[in-house]
Amino acid sequence: EAGVAQSPRYKIIEKRQSVAFWCNPISGHATLYWYQQILGQGPKLLIQFQNNGVVDDSQLPKDRFSAERLKGVDSTLKIQPAKLEDSAVYLCASSLRGQGDTGELFFGEGSRLTVL
Amino acid sequence: RKEVEQDPGPFNVPEGATVAFNCTYSNSASQSFFWYRQDCRKEPKLLMSVYSSGNEDGRFTAQLNRASQYISLLIRDSKLSDSATYLCVALNTGRRALTFGSGTRLQVQP
Repeated sequence: EAGVAQSPRYKIIEKRQSVAFWCNPISGHATLYWYQQILGQGPKLLIQFQNNGVVDDSQLPKDRFSAERLKGVDSTLKIQPAKLEDSAVYLCASSLRGQGDTGELFFGEGSRLTVL
Repeated sequence: RKEVEQDPGPFNVPEGATVAFNCTYSNSASQSFFWYRQDCRKEPKLLMSVYSSGNEDGRFTAQLNRASQYISLLIRDSKLSDSATYLCVALNTGRRALTFGSGTRLQVQP
């Protein structure tokens, strides 16, 4: 079974530039998440989708971050304009239903962003 | 105060040792707990769930103390392959979202 696919794996940009990350979840998984993991910290939830609707985006910095999940499958996360503190690994995860059912999320390998 | 707190370590132990990690959570609304494992520069993966009655999976034992808002993970007979960061995770039932601790790093040495 194919896992969660993410691209690009690495991205280096200058501050104030924009960047977009793409995620393809495990087939059939209704719930998709974007997490931000800063070096030395645990993953922090940015946004959660159930099919193509937003369930939780309370920790998404909406002045610069946006995400969409058209057609309830693939998702993109965009940052515009980027700040130095956005340097992190952006992890996409999916689950069959919600997080509360089993606590098991399947993570992609992540997209490592460096903002100079 | 962080919602889930862990000692970052690192814990350096010899092969065969027993090691225990602790984690505390501040949100009494958290109802379910988990341990995830994250290898260096890899994605987190679910290690095990944590039940009030305690649960064991091979060399791993997880326990929950709701009165003290405290979770533990015990690893017996440590292997080199156990070297990783162990993330304590709480489910906030109100937000239906997993909250991750910062992780405890374990290095098992030959």
